[in-house]
Amino acid sequence: EPEVTQTPSHQVTQMGQEVILRCVPISNHLYFYWYRQILGQKVEFLVSFYNNEISEKSEIFDDQFSVERPDGSNFTLKIRSTKLEDSAMYFCASILRQGGKLFFGSGTQLSVL
Amino acid sequence: KNEVEQSPQNLTAQEGEFITINCSYSVGISALHWLQQHPGGGIVSLFMLSSGKKKHGRLIATINIQEKHSSLHITASHPRDSAVYICAAHPYGGATNKLIFGTGTLLAVQP
Repeated sequence: EPEVTQTPSHQVTQMGQEVILRCVPISNHLYFYWYRQILGQKVEFLVSFYNNEISEKSEIFDDQFSVERPDGSNFTLKIRSTKLEDSAMYFCASILRQGGKLFFGSGTQLSVL
Repeated sequence: KNEVEQSPQNLTAQEGEFITINCSYSVGISALHWLQQHPGGGIVSLFMLSSGKKKHGRLIATINIQEKHSSLHITASHPRDSAVYICAAHPYGGATNKLIFGTGTLLAVQP
């Protein structure tokens, strides 16, 4: 079965530093998402992306966050100045079309010290 | 009050038992997802339902739109079914897959 790939699997950073989390969605998929899960809490929606623009974002997705699809294959989440509370598992997901099966990556565990 | 609630939070079963996990939601939805999260953290989509019932192998998912309730059943459970099972609702009018997640049900199947 095709896979969504995320790198790195673990990222440790200092508070205030910028981080970029990378995702390679399934190649013919058109809709892309970032979710996050703080340890012991529910998974939360961050942002959806279609046709090279954000289609919807949550209240969590403030000005410190941005997403890009720079080269037609990668889909990145940038956090400009990390805070302690950004520590979480970040999941990328993609679907081919609306109503299709959602495929998740294996996640990036971000630890902000 | 959480918009998506699951029960039980924790479930221990013996191998071979029939398992039911319940999900109730308070918002109008266009679809409901059942997801499986393994100890390493990876999430796999099991079902997406907007009505009725779906079956895949030993897994069955049902939804009652009027009652705002869905169930995930596992027949002939096996230790490899041990995982966190999450239901997630796609509200009406939201972007596709702007999901509202339940807190998950931690299932442990003992041999």
